[in-house]
Amino acid sequence: GAGVSQTPSNKVTEKGKYVELRCDPISGHTALYWYRQSLGQGPEFLIYFQGTGAADDSGLPNDRFFAVRPEGSVSTLKIQRTERGDSAVYLCASSLNVPGAEGYTFGSGTRLTVV
Amino acid sequence: GENVEQHPSTLSVQEGDSAVIKCTYSDSASNYFPWYKQELGKGPQLIIDIRSNVGEKKDQRIAVTLNKTAKHFSLHITETQPEDSAVYFCAASVSGSARQLTFGSGTQLTVLP
Repeated sequence: GAGVSQTPSNKVTEKGKYVELRCDPISGHTALYWYRQSLGQGPEFLIYFQGTGAADDSGLPNDRFFAVRPEGSVSTLKIQRTERGDSAVYLCASSLNVPGAEGYTFGSGTRLTVV
Repeated sequence: GENVEQHPSTLSVQEGDSAVIKCTYSDSASNYFPWYKQELGKGPQLIIDIRSNVGEKKDQRIAVTLNKTAKHFSLHITETQPEDSAVYFCAASVSGSARQLTFGSGTQLTVLP
């Protein structure tokens, strides 16, 4: 597609539930990133995929968070046993994997609200 | 790890005036510094970036300067227009590593007509 697509755009869930957030990167972009943006803050890195593998998952806050990218394209961020503190906008970005690559292209995000 | 500080948090200017946003970073290994514009309900959009081998870069009304010695970089917007109103984020990264970006906390720019 023309841009990075994230679905759903909004998700309201009850505390303790499981949620999945989906990201469709730009076609041909091998690098994919997940970030989390709390209200009034800059995005914070969660995880980076190069192809199908997670090259860096150092930003995942705890083991309730998990992400996959089984075919090297679409990625799903999974959050188990959601907590109110997980409420934020979850942003996905993709980029070409070439030396000296330019900046990411971000999607519009999924706004997650845990009630 | 890297820490990026951004100032001011809010900035109001009259249409046609210039706006300057400043950021400092902590990791001397950082060598890639992008700036993003985020409008309400949208993801951040890259507007300009600079690498550590240059001190200044300009694109029409937007310019970025980098002082590696002082570890700070700035965004300059000239002849501001109401459509420039948005939240602006600076970021820093070590190219070639995990390629994760560390963002500043953002500046809400309001251009008054």
